[in-house]
Amino acid sequence: QKEVEQNSGPLSVPEGAIASLNCTYSDRGSQSFFWYRQYSGKSPELIMSIYSNGDKEDGRFTAQLNKASQYVSLLIRDSQPSDSATYLCAVNMWGNTGKLIFGQGTTLQVKP
Amino acid sequence: DVKVTQSSRYLVKRTGEKVFLECVQDMDHENMFWYRQDPGLGLRLIYFSYDVKMKEKGDIPEGYSVSREKKERFSLILESASTNQTSMYLCASGLWGANQPQHFGDGTRLSIL
Repeated sequence: QKEVEQNSGPLSVPEGAIASLNCTYSDRGSQSFFWYRQYSGKSPELIMSIYSNGDKEDGRFTAQLNKASQYVSLLIRDSQPSDSATYLCAVNMWGNTGKLIFGQGTTLQVKP
Repeated sequence: DVKVTQSSRYLVKRTGEKVFLECVQDMDHENMFWYRQDPGLGLRLIYFSYDVKMKEKGDIPEGYSVSREKKERFSLILESASTNQTSMYLCASGLWGANQPQHFGDGTRLSIL
């Protein structure tokens, strides 16, 4: 059974803090990993992708991948109230088809 | 920027009706996907297509069919709508390849009365 697991939250952090969102996946052969942000009532929006072990930074966002431990995380530095959303982890376990399996999402609340 | 356009943001239909949801992408993507999203159940794949006239079942294909006659357009069909198909429907597209993300349309909130 191919699975992607996320803590549903809510994760509550104060404005300006670092938010840490985590995701584990079942298939050791997974190749690519994505983080999407979804505001309430809206569709998912791609914010980060990562393919190799280590860290990838983009502005206030850092994605971290550890294939040996089968986890991927998203750090949001200097969290803002506008970051309050549900964050979906998605993993490609099927190669070239581009088919993704999504986690249930973690709801982040950033309090002013 | 990738543009994935779904034909309706909100749709209300009656049980037993045949319902068509349309999705168009403008980036020449090979892959297209239909999901439904329900509270507590997350995103569930209904069908996907990796080429014109090609389709594969996702996790929950029962009660649905799809059509892809042109590369840019992927249609989801509810053959005989039922109340348990009330949901948010999301279309996505992406390039062929292992490292390609999916890009989503705005979604269609479908209510079956």
